[in-house]
Amino acid sequence: AQSVTQPDIHITVSEGASLELRCNYSYGATPYLFWYVQSPGQGLQLLLKYFSGDTLVQGIKGFEAEFKRSQSSFNLRKPSVHWSDAAEYFCAVGDDYKLSFGAGTTVTVRA
Amino acid sequence: GAVVSQHPSRVICKSGTSVKIECRSLDFQATTMFWYRQFPKQSLMLMATSNEGSKATYEQGVEKDKFLINHASLTLSTLTVTSAHPEDSSFYICSARDLEDLKQYFGPGTRLTVT
Repeated sequence: AQSVTQPDIHITVSEGASLELRCNYSYGATPYLFWYVQSPGQGLQLLLKYFSGDTLVQGIKGFEAEFKRSQSSFNLRKPSVHWSDAAEYFCAVGDDYKLSFGAGTTVTVRA
Repeated sequence: GAVVSQHPSRVICKSGTSVKIECRSLDFQATTMFWYRQFPKQSLMLMATSNEGSKATYEQGVEKDKFLINHASLTLSTLTVTSAHPEDSSFYICSARDLEDLKQYFGPGTRLTVT
């Protein structure tokens, strides 16, 4: 069975500071991994995904994520956070067909 | 980019009535659409997979007679919550899988409140 754990429910970060969101997964085969962002009242927008190849993946809005098979992790990072990055972030695992989502991490950005 | 719309964005209905939610892929075709349910401060839970021209596949624990899904065309899937009860109140999100690039695109969601 596939599952995703996002250990941090809520993170507060200052504007301009770096951000890292943790994601651990459980999957029987080589996983497809995704990070989505959801703004209040909005649907989900894909930030980046990992299928294979380079374990450091670049996404939109300046985000990147690193796949570490030995740690079953796919952590999301951004070097310098903007106020518009305040949102809910979801990590997901699947086969690009059916996805399982983590519980999400709420990011608050303070001025 | 690919856009998925949902209608309505918000709906309030009385207990015992039925509500229909539409999911449309606006600029691409989707043989497969997915319906998710999201509780406050929780993750998205896949309810069912909707395939154009065939019956939907429901996840374990989801009542197919209560959540009726119809995928009549390559751009439209509907979810009907029948005999709604307050516990059905939730945020329902659909996604559509683009026939060409096979990516999933998510709709903005529908907030259902059953009184």
